[in-house]
Amino acid sequence: GAVVSQHPSRVICKSGTSVKIECRSLDFQATTMFWYRQFPKQSLMLMATSNEGSKATYEQGVEKDKFLINHASLTLSTLTVTSAHPEDSSFYICSGVRGRDTEAFFGQGTRLTVV
Amino acid sequence: QKEVEQDPGPLSVPEGAIVSLNCTYSNSAFQYFMWYRQYSRKGPELLMYTYSSGNKEDGRFTAQVDKSSKYISLFIRDSQPSDSATYLCAMSGYGGKLIFGQGTELSVKP
Repeated sequence: GAVVSQHPSRVICKSGTSVKIECRSLDFQATTMFWYRQFPKQSLMLMATSNEGSKATYEQGVEKDKFLINHASLTLSTLTVTSAHPEDSSFYICSGVRGRDTEAFFGQGTRLTVV
Repeated sequence: QKEVEQDPGPLSVPEGAIVSLNCTYSNSAFQYFMWYRQYSRKGPELLMYTYSSGNKEDGRFTAQVDKSSKYISLFIRDSQPSDSATYLCAMSGYGGKLIFGQGTELSVKP
Protein backbone atom coordinates (compact mmCIF):
# COMPACT_ATOMS: atom_id res chain seq x y z
CA GLY A 1 0.00 0.00 0.00
CA ALA A 2 0.93 3.66 -0.24
CA VAL A 3 2.94 5.29 2.54
CA VAL A 4 2.04 8.28 4.67
CA SER A 5 4.81 9.52 6.93
CA GLN A 6 3.71 11.40 10.04
CA HIS A 7 6.03 13.32 12.37
CA PRO A 8 6.67 13.63 15.20
CA SER A 9 5.49 10.32 16.61
CA ARG A 10 5.47 11.68 20.12
CA VAL A 11 5.63 15.22 21.52
CA ILE A 12 5.36 16.74 24.97
CA CYS A 13 4.73 20.46 25.18
CA LYS A 14 3.93 23.03 27.80
CA SER A 15 0.46 24.44 28.16
CA GLY A 16 0.03 27.54 26.02
CA THR A 17 2.56 26.60 23.36
CA SER A 18 1.89 25.48 19.79
CA VAL A 19 2.74 22.17 18.20
CA LYS A 20 2.97 21.34 14.50
CA ILE A 21 2.34 17.85 13.15
CA GLU A 22 3.36 16.96 9.59
CA CYS A 23 2.02 14.34 7.26
CA ARG A 24 3.71 13.52 3.99
CA SER A 25 2.50 11.14 1.31
CA LEU A 26 5.73 9.55 0.12
CA ASP A 27 4.74 7.68 -3.01
CA PHE A 28 1.44 9.15 -4.10
CA GLN A 29 -0.27 12.51 -4.43
CA ALA A 30 -2.85 12.97 -1.71
CA THR A 31 -5.52 15.22 -3.13
CA THR A 32 -7.36 14.97 0.16
CA MET A 33 -5.98 14.65 3.66
CA PHE A 34 -8.08 13.82 6.68
CA TRP A 35 -7.12 14.56 10.26
CA TYR A 36 -8.47 12.39 13.06
CA ARG A 37 -8.21 12.40 16.79
CA GLN A 38 -8.33 9.31 18.96
CA PHE A 39 -8.80 9.19 22.72
CA PRO A 40 -7.74 6.07 24.64
CA LYS A 41 -9.97 3.05 24.05
CA GLN A 42 -12.06 5.05 21.59
CA SER A 43 -12.36 5.14 17.85
CA LEU A 44 -11.07 7.72 15.44
CA MET A 45 -13.08 10.91 15.19
CA LEU A 46 -12.72 13.05 12.10
CA MET A 47 -11.56 16.56 12.89
CA ALA A 48 -11.20 18.09 9.45
CA THR A 49 -10.84 17.46 5.75
CA SER A 50 -8.31 19.34 3.67
CA ASN A 51 -7.98 19.52 -0.07
CA GLU A 52 -4.77 20.73 -1.65
CA GLY A 53 -4.78 24.47 -2.15
CA SER A 54 -8.04 25.20 -0.38
CA LYS A 55 -9.24 25.84 3.16
CA ALA A 56 -9.93 22.89 5.38
CA THR A 57 -13.45 21.85 6.25
CA TYR A 58 -13.87 21.28 9.97
CA GLU A 59 -16.30 18.93 11.66
CA GLN A 60 -18.84 20.33 14.05
CA GLY A 61 -17.34 21.15 17.41
CA VAL A 62 -13.76 21.43 16.17
CA GLU A 63 -12.26 24.89 16.64
CA LYS A 64 -10.63 25.93 13.39
CA ASP A 65 -8.65 28.70 15.08
CA LYS A 66 -7.18 26.19 17.47
CA PHE A 67 -6.44 23.40 15.02
CA LEU A 68 -4.84 25.04 12.00
CA ILE A 69 -4.61 22.83 8.94
CA ASN A 70 -2.51 23.60 5.92
CA HIS A 71 -2.43 21.49 2.76
CA ALA A 72 -0.08 23.51 0.59
CA SER A 73 1.01 20.69 -1.68
CA LEU A 74 -0.19 17.29 -2.86
CA THR A 75 2.34 15.58 -0.62
CA LEU A 76 2.27 17.62 2.58
CA SER A 77 -0.40 18.55 5.10
CA THR A 78 0.20 20.03 8.53
CA LEU A 79 -1.89 20.33 11.68
CA THR A 80 -0.90 22.98 14.19
CA VAL A 81 -2.40 22.82 17.65
CA THR A 82 -2.26 26.40 18.89
CA SER A 83 -2.18 27.43 22.54
CA ALA A 84 -2.32 23.81 23.59
CA HIS A 85 -4.02 22.80 26.82
CA PRO A 86 -3.96 19.50 28.72
CA GLU A 87 -7.36 18.57 27.30
CA ASP A 88 -5.76 18.62 23.83
CA SER A 89 -3.62 15.66 24.86
CA SER A 90 -4.58 12.89 22.47
CA PHE A 91 -3.48 10.71 19.59
CA TYR A 92 -3.68 12.55 16.27
CA ILE A 93 -3.66 10.67 12.98
CA CYS A 94 -3.69 11.81 9.38
CA SER A 95 -4.76 9.91 6.31
CA GLY A 96 -4.35 10.59 2.63
CA VAL A 97 -6.57 9.68 -0.26
CA ARG A 98 -5.36 9.76 -3.85
CA GLY A 99 -7.70 11.10 -6.47
CA ARG A 100 -11.13 9.54 -6.50
CA ASP A 101 -9.86 6.40 -4.81
CA THR A 102 -11.47 6.22 -1.41
CA GLU A 103 -8.89 3.85 0.03
CA ALA A 104 -7.23 5.83 2.79
CA PHE A 105 -3.64 5.42 3.95
CA PHE A 106 -2.78 6.39 7.49
CA GLY A 107 0.22 7.93 9.12
CA GLN A 108 1.64 6.32 12.24
CA GLY A 109 0.04 8.91 14.49
CA THR A 110 1.32 11.52 16.91
CA ARG A 111 0.84 11.20 20.63
CA LEU A 112 0.55 14.71 22.04
CA THR A 113 0.90 15.30 25.75
CA VAL A 114 0.34 18.82 27.06
CA VAL A 115 1.70 19.43 30.55
CA GLN B 1 -27.86 5.93 17.12
CA LYS B 2 -24.29 5.83 15.84
CA GLU B 3 -23.77 5.47 12.10
CA VAL B 4 -21.48 2.50 12.69
CA GLU B 5 -21.80 0.10 15.60
CA GLN B 6 -19.05 -2.27 16.67
CA ASP B 7 -18.78 -4.35 19.82
CA PRO B 8 -15.69 -3.07 21.64
CA GLY B 9 -14.98 -6.42 23.30
CA PRO B 10 -12.50 -7.31 24.62
CA LEU B 11 -12.48 -10.62 22.80
CA SER B 12 -10.12 -13.33 23.96
CA VAL B 13 -9.55 -16.53 21.97
CA PRO B 14 -7.02 -19.38 22.04
CA GLU B 15 -4.39 -19.63 19.35
CA GLY B 16 -5.70 -21.37 16.24
CA ALA B 17 -9.32 -20.31 16.77
CA ILE B 18 -11.49 -18.71 14.11
CA VAL B 19 -12.27 -15.12 15.02
CA SER B 20 -15.40 -13.33 13.85
CA LEU B 21 -15.57 -9.55 14.06
CA ASN B 22 -18.67 -7.61 13.03
CA CYS B 23 -20.07 -4.16 12.42
CA THR B 24 -23.51 -2.87 11.62
CA TYR B 25 -24.31 0.44 10.01
CA SER B 26 -27.29 2.61 9.29
CA ASN B 27 -26.31 4.71 6.25
CA SER B 28 -27.36 2.99 3.04
CA ALA B 29 -25.11 5.36 1.06
CA PHE B 30 -21.97 3.58 2.26
CA GLN B 31 -20.27 1.83 -0.65
CA TYR B 32 -16.74 1.21 0.57
CA PHE B 33 -15.99 -1.01 3.52
CA MET B 34 -12.66 -1.43 5.22
CA TRP B 35 -11.08 -3.23 8.12
CA TYR B 36 -8.09 -1.74 9.88
CA ARG B 37 -5.81 -3.28 12.45
CA GLN B 38 -4.26 -1.08 15.10
CA TYR B 39 -1.53 -2.12 17.46
CA SER B 40 -1.15 -0.25 20.72
CA ARG B 41 0.19 3.30 20.24
CA LYS B 42 0.38 2.89 16.48
CA GLY B 43 -1.63 4.20 13.55
CA PRO B 44 -4.22 1.93 11.88
CA GLU B 45 -3.11 -0.23 8.98
CA LEU B 46 -5.45 -1.34 6.23
CA LEU B 47 -6.25 -5.05 6.25
CA MET B 48 -9.13 -5.46 3.84
CA TYR B 49 -10.95 -3.21 1.42
CA THR B 50 -14.26 -4.13 -0.21
CA TYR B 51 -16.49 -2.27 -2.57
CA SER B 52 -20.22 -2.97 -2.29
CA SER B 53 -21.49 -6.43 -1.30
CA GLY B 54 -19.67 -9.71 -1.43
CA ASN B 55 -16.72 -11.60 0.00
CA LYS B 56 -13.02 -10.99 -0.24
CA GLU B 57 -10.29 -13.31 0.93
CA ASP B 58 -6.64 -12.56 1.63
CA GLY B 59 -4.66 -15.31 3.29
CA ARG B 60 -6.15 -15.99 6.71
CA PHE B 61 -8.52 -13.04 6.46
CA THR B 62 -11.98 -12.98 4.88
CA ALA B 63 -14.18 -9.90 4.68
CA GLN B 64 -17.89 -10.12 4.04
CA VAL B 65 -20.32 -7.35 3.23
CA ASP B 66 -24.09 -7.76 3.29
CA LYS B 67 -25.56 -4.46 2.23
CA SER B 68 -29.13 -5.72 2.47
CA SER B 69 -28.61 -6.29 6.18
CA LYS B 70 -26.15 -3.41 6.61
CA TYR B 71 -23.72 -5.82 8.20
CA ILE B 72 -20.04 -6.48 7.62
CA SER B 73 -17.75 -9.13 9.03
CA LEU B 74 -14.09 -9.98 9.24
CA PHE B 75 -13.03 -13.58 9.80
CA ILE B 76 -9.55 -14.55 10.92
CA ARG B 77 -8.65 -18.21 10.50
CA ASP B 78 -5.93 -19.97 12.47
CA SER B 79 -5.53 -16.95 14.72
CA GLN B 80 -2.05 -16.17 16.02
CA PRO B 81 -0.83 -14.22 19.07
CA SER B 82 0.50 -11.63 16.61
CA ASP B 83 -3.11 -10.97 15.58
CA SER B 84 -3.72 -9.45 19.02
CA ALA B 85 -4.70 -5.87 18.30
CA THR B 86 -7.71 -3.61 17.98
CA TYR B 87 -9.71 -4.10 14.79
CA LEU B 88 -11.60 -1.16 13.42
CA CYS B 89 -14.26 -1.31 10.74
CA ALA B 90 -14.65 1.76 8.59
CA MET B 91 -16.89 2.74 5.73
CA SER B 92 -17.63 5.60 3.43
CA GLY B 93 -19.72 6.83 0.60
CA TYR B 94 -17.98 8.69 -2.21
CA GLY B 95 -15.25 11.16 -1.28
CA GLY B 96 -13.04 9.30 1.16
CA LYS B 97 -14.50 10.46 4.46
CA LEU B 98 -14.39 7.40 6.66
CA ILE B 99 -16.73 6.66 9.53
CA PHE B 100 -15.19 4.27 12.01
CA GLY B 101 -16.60 1.75 14.39
CA GLN B 102 -15.44 1.86 17.98
CA GLY B 103 -12.96 -0.94 17.44
CA THR B 104 -12.85 -4.46 18.88
CA GLU B 105 -9.92 -5.37 21.10
CA LEU B 106 -8.75 -8.90 20.28
CA SER B 107 -6.41 -11.01 22.34
CA VAL B 108 -5.13 -14.34 21.01
CA LYS B 109 -3.66 -16.46 23.79
CA PRO B 110 -0.83 -18.93 23.04
